Amino acid sequence: GAGVSQTPSNKVTEKGKYVELRCDPISGHTALYWYRQSLGQGPEFLIYFQGTGAADDSGLPNDRFFAVRPEGSVSTLKIQRTERGDSAVYLCASSLFRVEDTGELFFGEGSRLTVL
Amino acid sequence: SQQGEEDPQALSIQEGENATMNCSYKTSINNLQWYRQNSGRGLVHLILIRSNEREKHSGRLRVTLDTSKKSSSLLITASRAADTASYFCATDKNSGNTPLVFGKGTRLSVIA
Repeated sequence: GAGVSQTPSNKVTEKGKYVELRCDPISGHTALYWYRQSLGQGPEFLIYFQGTGAADDSGLPNDRFFAVRPEGSVSTLKIQRTERGDSAVYLCASSLFRVEDTGELFFGEGSRLTVL
Repeated sequence: SQQGEEDPQALSIQEGENATMNCSYKTSINNLQWYRQNSGRGLVHLILIRSNEREKHSGRLRVTLDTSKKSSSLLITASRAADTASYFCATDKNSGNTPLVFGKGTRLSVIA
């Protein structure tokens, strides 16, 4: 596609429910990132994929959060037993991989999650 | 945790004036990037400056980097109402390809 696509754009769920958020990166971008952004704050890193594998998942807040990228393209962020504190905008970004440093990230429009 | 910290948190200026935003960071970096975010939208990359560069220009944007002070500034010249947005600095780590760490951002309002 032309850009990074995220679905759903909005998700309202009840406390304790399971949620999946999908990210479709730019074709050919091997690096994929998930961030979480609360109101008035900067994006907070969650997890980074290089190809199919999670190269860095140090930002996942706890074991209720999990992400996959089985074929090295589309990624799904999964949140179990949602809590009100999980409410935020979940941003996905992709980039071309460079060995020497991290290049420009291309962001999607985000998935706004509201946990009631 | 957030590596970069922008200053000021909010800035309000008149159209035509210049806007300067600053960013400080804590650890060694390969590069520093600036992003813009309109309300309710995703982030858009503006400019990347490498650790061996001191200044970079792109249109009305001028970015400086001082690695000895671990700080960067973003200057927007001749601001327009359409420049109203939040601006974030982001840094990688000095160890190859690593996730970018973002600051809390500066909210810029340009009044027509």
